[in-house]
Amino acid sequence: SQTIHQWPATLVQPVGSPLSLECTVEGTSNPNLYWYRQAAGRGLQLLFYSVGIGQISSEVPQNLSASRPQDRQFILSSKKLLLSDSGFYLCAWRPSNTIYFGEGSWLTVV
Amino acid sequence: DAKTTQPPSMDCAEGRAANLPCNHSTISGNEYVYWYRQIHSQGPQYIIHGLKNNETNEMASLIITEDRKSSTLILPHATLRDTAVYYCIVISEDTGANSKLTFGKGITLSVRP
Repeated sequence: SQTIHQWPATLVQPVGSPLSLECTVEGTSNPNLYWYRQAAGRGLQLLFYSVGIGQISSEVPQNLSASRPQDRQFILSSKKLLLSDSGFYLCAWRPSNTIYFGEGSWLTVV
Repeated sequence: DAKTTQPPSMDCAEGRAANLPCNHSTISGNEYVYWYRQIHSQGPQYIIHGLKNNETNEMASLIITEDRKSSTLILPHATLRDTAVYYCIVISEDTGANSKLTFGKGITLSVRP
């Protein structure tokens, strides 16, 4: 079966600390992978997408980076978090035409 | 730069049909119309999709106009649990050609008792 998992589900991090959110998928190969952010009461903002290992496209200039070290692994990182990085982060994948989302990760930067 | 536009919000009475509109006037011939919904603090959930024919599943119906420039998602008997943000998005069948997948702000549906 095809599944997507992301973790951690929630985290509280101090300003200036690093971040690592991980997303893994199962059941298919070479899927398109996506990271979205949703600020409180806002829509989904596309941050990064990847069409293959090591191939990352960034949509907005920001304090975050993404990596795809393996075909089914997509990582969202930051070296130093800002208060404005707080939000709900969603990983998504596209094994076929349909997009499927992970459970989401709530990040609060304090 | 989402390719769809939706009104920001609407409401309907519980038990009545909810008709959610979406405009996608620049849709291409190989692009599908997809609908998702997001309940607070959860990832968006797939509802339904279609190319040019009307579609129905256990969750909803999708009506696409003949010119494909707009569509309507119909929840036939809305319940309180249908209160959510609903996103309409167009997606190319070519996974490489439309990698970005940008969502708009969606429409907030409020179902009142």
